[in-house]
Amino acid sequence: GQNIDQPTEMTATEGAIVQINCTYQTSGFNGLFWYQQHAGEAPTFLSYNVLDGLEEKGRFSSFLSRSKGYSYLLLKELQMKDSASYLCASMDSNYQLIWGAGTKLIIKP
Amino acid sequence: DTAVSQTPKYLVTQMGNDKSIKCEQNLGHDTMYWYKQDSKKFLKIMFSYNNKELIINETVPNRFSPKSPDKAHLNLHINSLELGDSAVYFCASSHGTGTGANVLTFGAGSRLTVL
Repeated sequence: GQNIDQPTEMTATEGAIVQINCTYQTSGFNGLFWYQQHAGEAPTFLSYNVLDGLEEKGRFSSFLSRSKGYSYLLLKELQMKDSASYLCASMDSNYQLIWGAGTKLIIKP
Repeated sequence: DTAVSQTPKYLVTQMGNDKSIKCEQNLGHDTMYWYKQDSKKFLKIMFSYNNKELIINETVPNRFSPKSPDKAHLNLHINSLELGDSAVYFCASSHGTGTGANVLTFGAGSRLTVL
């Protein structure tokens, strides 16, 4: 079956760095997406990886290893506004997105 | 201007009623979607339309019927509402269905509560 695993909840301190891991098993692979979702709001696009390696975008970076079925989202210089859920989604061979349940990130001062 | 707008934002209704949620996008996207996000926060695709044509129709009860009058609109009608239909329904759109084109822009969500 198709499956996305990511931790349910993580806690980090303002100003620190946090890494949110995601492992995926999908029928085929056409890319890995990360979205941010603040409580009560819509998910918003953060990053897309289709090749192995690290993609950096400001304070956020995303990494992909296709051979390991693994990705992570790295958030640096954490700010209180980064408190949100982070959704990992893998695109399968039919170009359908398979979503994880999200990782709720709690930032403490 | 809101890119993807859906109405209503909140909907409280009784079991057995029929209700509709409307969605409009002004991004010029070709593909629109309906997702259901339940209490466990999983996003599940329900339907997808590309240029008004149905391309994804996941296993949802046939009480749910999407309608796309044009490529900027995708409405969701739900008949005979049940308690298990309570969830947040998100409308989304994207340029197309290929990989690089498939960044989704979501609406703000419609929280449906069935009593």
